[in-house]
Amino acid sequence: EPEVTQTPSHQVTQMGQEVILRCVPISNHLYFYWYRQILGQKVEFLVSFYNNEISEKSEIFDDQFSVERPDGSNFTLKIRSTKLEDSAMYFCATLTGGSYNEQFFGPGTRLTVL
Amino acid sequence: EDKVVQSPLSLVVHEGDTVTLNCSYEVTNFRSLLWYKQEKKAPTFLFMLTSSGIEKKSGRLSSILDKKELFSILNITATQTGDSAVYLCVKNTNAGKSTFGDGTTLTVKP
Repeated sequence: EPEVTQTPSHQVTQMGQEVILRCVPISNHLYFYWYRQILGQKVEFLVSFYNNEISEKSEIFDDQFSVERPDGSNFTLKIRSTKLEDSAMYFCATLTGGSYNEQFFGPGTRLTVL
Repeated sequence: EDKVVQSPLSLVVHEGDTVTLNCSYEVTNFRSLLWYKQEKKAPTFLFMLTSSGIEKKSGRLSSILDKKELFSILNITATQTGDSAVYLCVKNTNAGKSTFGDGTTLTVKP
């Protein structure tokens, strides 16, 4: 069964450093999302992406964040200058187009900012 | 602000019991309502609901959406210990924004 993959599974970085989290969506899925989940808290929406541009973004998704599809397959989330409060699990998710029947999450990247 | 409210926040039952989890949402720009199961990892997709009154079923799980009253329920019959998890309700808008509820923590005791 096709699945969403994410790399790395765990990233440890120093405050102020840039990180890039990578996602490989299910092929033929058209809609892509990034979410985060701080330990012990609920899942929060960051951004959605369709047709090579951002569809919607939350208040969390400020100028420190960016997304792109650099090669038509990978979908990346960049955090330019990480803060301690960026420590969280980051999930990529993809949605089938057309009938919008299913949305699948990747396994997540645990980001730890020291 | 978009809101998704789930109830109860936690529930403890015994194996074999039937449970009903509730989710209410605001109507703004609604596209779909999704249910996920989350154990100690990524959420697992259960159902996506877009039309009112049409029940979706998968084994012992079923779900239905009421777009007039703005709520959805997730039913689990003959619960098993493996059903213990956090169940998430998510509203997606036409623009592509997702709003998550706080989740219902279900504990099924043997």
